[in-house]
Parts: sequence; structure tokens; C-alpha cells
Amino acid sequence: DGGITQSPKYLFRKEGQNVTLSCEQNLNHDAMYWYRQDPGQGLRLIYYSQIVNDFQKGDIAEGYSVSREKKESFPLTVTSAQKNPTAFYLCASSPRGAANEKLFFGSGTQLSVL
Amino acid sequence: GENVEQHPSTLSVQEGDSAVIKCTYSDSASNYFPWYKQELGKRPQLIIDIRSNVGEKKDQRIAVTLNKTAKHFSLHITETQPEDSAVYFCAASIAGNQFYFGTGTSLTVIP
Repeated sequence: DGGITQSPKYLFRKEGQNVTLSCEQNLNHDAMYWYRQDPGQGLRLIYYSQIVNDFQKGDIAEGYSVSREKKESFPLTVTSAQKNPTAFYLCASSPRGAANEKLFFGSGTQLSVL
Repeated sequence: GENVEQHPSTLSVQEGDSAVIKCTYSDSASNYFPWYKQELGKRPQLIIDIRSNVGEKKDQRIAVTLNKTAKHFSLHITETQPEDSAVYFCAASIAGNQFYFGTGTSLTVIP
């Protein structure tokens, strides 16, 4: 199914390595988000962007970086500064980033540390 | 910031019985409360939502109730079926684009 696509599905990171998770949407949505999902915990916001070339930190931004050069794309880089990167990462989008909007999620990327 | 608590963390019911999942929130300014269902290996999908100016909303076998005074909202699933088995997340949104999610409830419907 289309809409919002994440890749890869599985990713392995070596010690000290930066890795980038891809998120692409063809819904013409303005807002995009990155969430981290750990077992037994809710989704926690890493970064979000409401417009091209602008993004804001969420609750757990440390050790992560993002860019929003195109409306369709919002890649997430997990840097070596993130000491506990193993988690399931979900990208989402919404039409305008306004209140009361439905989030559309991607199918996720499972990141593991070698 | 907002804090959303969700209970129970796991729930097992017999097929045909009802299931209830409860969430509480801390910030009285929260005004939008969606529920997402995540089946195993799949993406979360919105199943129902409620706004702060409404006390109850129903969609076939699923309903959500909101008590603003007590700052809690609940998901009710009636006549449960095996395909209802999934992890359910509640969330609260104050305004703009910040959603605060509960820790999830793993629902198992036993045939």
C-alpha cells in the first residue's frame, strides 16, 4: 500500500556509525513526524516538521538529526551520539500539522545495534 | 508537558465479550483524543477519535467516552472478534501537532 513509505524495514548499526532511515510520502501532506517505539512504551516524538526547510525537536531528539529539503521526504539520521538506538521507528504525516488531524503512519523500520 | 497513562497493558477476553481500555491525561488543555490500532507487524491506524466538545462517539462495535472533569477517556469494543486482537494506543493532543501516546494495550480475543 502507498501513501507513506519507510525503508529499510530492518537496519543494523555498528558501534560509532551513523545510519539514515528513509521516509517518503505521496499524500501531499505538509507535516511529517518521527516516532520511536520501545517495548512496553508508547510512541515518543523525536522530530517533526510542518513545512519544508523547517523542523522542531520532540521529546527525545538527542542523538538524532533530520532534514526536510523536499515536501515528500523526511529522513532521520541516528547518530553515534544516540547510545541506545535499538527500537522500532515510525514515520507519520498529517495534512497540515493542525490540531485534531489524523496521523498516517508508515510501516516502520526496526533498528538494531550489532 | 502532557502525560498519558493507559491501562491495562494486556487484556484477554473471550470472543463475543466486551473489552474496555482506559486512559488518563494530565493537561486540561488537551482537546483531541484519538485511538490507534496496531496489528502485529503492521502500521498503527486510526480507529476512532473524539474531540473535547463531545462526551461519546460510536462507530459500529467501537465507542469512545470522554470525561473532561476527571480527565479520562475510554475505548469500548463490544462483541469482540479474533480480528480485534492487536495493540491499541490512546493519545492526547493539546493543539497543533504534538500527540502524547499511552503505553499501549495488547488485546487478545480468544476464540
